[in-house]
Amino acid sequence: DAKTTQPPSMDCAEGRAANLPCNHSTISGNEYVYWYRQIHSQGPQYIIHGLKNNETNEMASLIITEDRKSSTLILPHATLRDTAVYYCIVRASNTGNQFYFGTGTSLTVIP
Amino acid sequence: SQTIHQWPATLVQPVGSPLSLECTVEGTSNPNLYWYRQAAGRGLQLLFYSVGIGQISSEVPQNLSASRPQDRQFILSSKKLLLSDSGFYLCAWSVAEAFFGQGTRLTVV
Repeated sequence: DAKTTQPPSMDCAEGRAANLPCNHSTISGNEYVYWYRQIHSQGPQYIIHGLKNNETNEMASLIITEDRKSSTLILPHATLRDTAVYYCIVRASNTGNQFYFGTGTSLTVIP
Repeated sequence: SQTIHQWPATLVQPVGSPLSLECTVEGTSNPNLYWYRQAAGRGLQLLFYSVGIGQISSEVPQNLSASRPQDRQFILSSKKLLLSDSGFYLCAWSVAEAFFGQGTRLTVV
């Protein structure tokens, strides 16, 4: 079962930063936070993951609170192509642990 | 680099007909493999996962089955399709993060 809570939808102006929140208050010490996105009719795309420290890659930044009970995915300069459903998942990163997807946040980037 | 192949992209099948969807992964060894289904307008539901050849775990009781005859091959099957089997089927592999195929859109008519 999904262990995360996300707002169902958000809007963001093109060129502005998109900040997508995720609550995971029951996260365990060995569980990572993963973010994926799904553009309509395509398979989900991996974005980023982290354990405790903030992470940044070419797509996004991941900010995890000190108590690890919540996190925020930041798309620094949203484009129209970032319109998608964004999923936050918690998972222990070892063999046999499944990825359970919740309902995600539908992000619409507005011109 | 690792790649995942899933086919066919779309499929229309009559009720009661059999189903076989195939997924293969290249460029990695002993991955975890997954089958997900997504109904229209809904989230992804995990159907099956496999940690090795011949090892299949089912997440939900249903009309479908899965098999892993080779390390990098994962097959989703049904003997007789139901209307409720319609949906978008996704195969994925993981070692740490998961990577998804492009999906098969199945319509049972």
